[in-house]
Amino acid sequence: QVQLVQSGSEVKKPGASVRVSCRASGYTFTGHGISWVRQAPGQGLEWMGWISAYDGHTKYAQKLQDRVTLTKDTSTSTAYMELSFLRSDDTAVYYCARDQWGGSFLPSWGQGTLVAVSS
Amino acid sequence: EIVLTQSPVTLSLSPGERATLSCGASQSVRRGYLAWYQQKPGLAPRLVVYDASKRAADIPDRFSGSGSGTDFTLTITRLEPADSAVYYCHQYETIPITFGQGTRLEIK
Repeated sequence: QVQLVQSGSEVKKPGASVRVSCRASGYTFTGHGISWVRQAPGQGLEWMGWISAYDGHTKYAQKLQDRVTLTKDTSTSTAYMELSFLRSDDTAVYYCARDQWGGSFLPSWGQGTLVAVSS
Repeated sequence: EIVLTQSPVTLSLSPGERATLSCGASQSVRRGYLAWYQQKPGLAPRLVVYDASKRAADIPDRFSGSGSGTDFTLTITRLEPADSAVYYCHQYETIPITFGQGTRLEIK
């Protein structure tokens, strides 16, 4: 079955960077894209961006495009999300999610990674 | 950007009743690329409906999606306590992908 396993919680200081990994299994990694979605405490879902696991093509949310970088490693079936210049309002649970086709609905999600930004 | 507005914000119903959750789009979702997710506390969202009206795998037929254009609905019949959750709509018609702000469904 499809599984997305994310890296563990992180605590970072303002101005630092964080990289979250998402290891995929149970399907052909290059056959689907990965979206990253975050959720601040008590808030709704916010789409951050998408990466094609086939060719690495990316699309980013405009408000984050200067600070977020999505990459992938086909050899390990792992997607990565790096967010730089962290601020306190970046504190959130970060999810990776596999799409059904490029940029579509999200049938499979990782378990989430809490990133806390605090001085 | 397509803005999705969900109503009501909170819905409190009893077991066995029917829930009707609405999602309005600021622009037409012409191809019907709209999904619904269920999220319980501490867990990742779970896909319930995609392409406006297709049920996801393992979702009971008490859940149904409908609508087109700018107005979409998720209906849940014969409510059970396990249906308590926040429900989000999601459009993948255009980039940026957007989500509604959620409807909290409470089963009394």
